[in-house]
Amino acid sequence: GNSVTQMEGPVTLSEEAFLTINCTYTATGYPSLFWYVQYPGEGLQLLLKATKADDKGSNKGFEATYRKETTSFHLEKGSVQVSDSAVYFCALTGTGFQKLVFGTGTRLLVSP
Amino acid sequence: DAGVTQSPTHLIKTRGQQVTLRCSPKSGHDTVSWYQQALGQGPQFIFQYYEEEERQRGNFPDRFSGHQFPNYSSELNVNALLLGDSALYLCASSSAGIRSNQPQHFGDGTRLSIL
Repeated sequence: GNSVTQMEGPVTLSEEAFLTINCTYTATGYPSLFWYVQYPGEGLQLLLKATKADDKGSNKGFEATYRKETTSFHLEKGSVQVSDSAVYFCALTGTGFQKLVFGTGTRLLVSP
Repeated sequence: DAGVTQSPTHLIKTRGQQVTLRCSPKSGHDTVSWYQQALGQGPQFIFQYYEEEERQRGNFPDRFSGHQFPNYSSELNVNALLLGDSALYLCASSSAGIRSNQPQHFGDGTRLSIL
């Protein structure tokens, strides 16, 4: 079945540092890929998405590129802020269906 | 424009009891999905409702059941509660049915604790 693997956290960075959170996936067909963010005590917010190979999703300074050849969708940000501290989830939906399959999440801690 | 709303926010039950959680989708959305998120884990898909019918189901026992109403709101029912059912239950809504790649919008969840 479909699955998502994320790097384990926590990822601890200083403010203005460069962020990479690795995500790889296993899926048949042509999945859509997503990054969601979860702040403490809240539900999940969609951060960005990509629906086909080589698409780049971007939002609020975060970027991720759909790489079919490496089955990856790594999240990057050039300069993190304290307010970016949260748990980040990589997820996919299978070809034609909306059921989301999530990774285990990566906690990001940004210090001033 | 209200987003996805869930009630109650928190709930405490004892083993063997039954619980009902409620969800109102974002305006304009017609598809509702439910997820269970255990502490420190990613959400796991329970089931999805569209046109008042269960359309997809994850690997959850029959103790988990649901309903969708004509106004697209939904309920999740869990019978014979177990300690392992303690989790954050998330509702997500989207538009255009189950075969769309439209993003799902999540509520803040219901935290269920089983004593």
